[in-house]
Amino acid sequence: EAQVTQNPRYLITVTGKKLTVTCSQNMNHEYMSWYRQDPGLGLRQIYYSMNVEVTDKGDVPEGYKVSRKEKRNFPLILESPSPNQTSLYFCASSLMSSYNEQFFGPGTRLTVL
Amino acid sequence: KNEVEQSPQNLTAQEGEFITINCSYSVGISALHWLQQHPGGGIVSLFMLSSGKKKHGRLIATINIQEKHSSLHITASHPRDSAVYICAVFLISNFGNEKLTFGTGTRLTIIP
Repeated sequence: EAQVTQNPRYLITVTGKKLTVTCSQNMNHEYMSWYRQDPGLGLRQIYYSMNVEVTDKGDVPEGYKVSRKEKRNFPLILESPSPNQTSLYFCASSLMSSYNEQFFGPGTRLTVL
Repeated sequence: KNEVEQSPQNLTAQEGEFITINCSYSVGISALHWLQQHPGGGIVSLFMLSSGKKKHGRLIATINIQEKHSSLHITASHPRDSAVYICAVFLISNFGNEKLTFGTGTRLTIIP
């Protein structure tokens, strides 16, 4: 089944404790992206990647890192999480770019205490 | 001012009614997506438009590039259509920068 998977689905952590949210797709897509969703603000793009080893900032990259060492995986890293990073996070992929149909993961609900 | 505005923010209707959700944007775009977010949180892509009109089942999406406006219509609405509908645009000003800019969504509730 074609899908985008994220892990974990739920995470409660404390300020400053490094964490990684994994994202994987099995559709051989070149474009992958991370978004956060907050009430009243909607979805905002954090980082995106056009292909292996090619990443770029979205609208809200501060406090986040990403890497794209393999085509299928695009992990989101929070080196020192803070409470303002409490949010619902979505990974998405598409064939080549944001111009193509986007396939979303199920979401990761992160709480930073 | 947000680059992408959706209206209404909330919409409640009776089952069977014709639904229209609007999306307006302030700058030139090369593509517009309509997304559906289920009550459980999952997001699925409904349409990608760069011009004209697309139809899938009871859903119809239109776009008017000159007026910088798109609409999503649902015919014969059903309670299972209850969801948040989100438009997202690929701005021409972002060309070379593959970002999507999102509206804040329209929460649709269909009452049986």
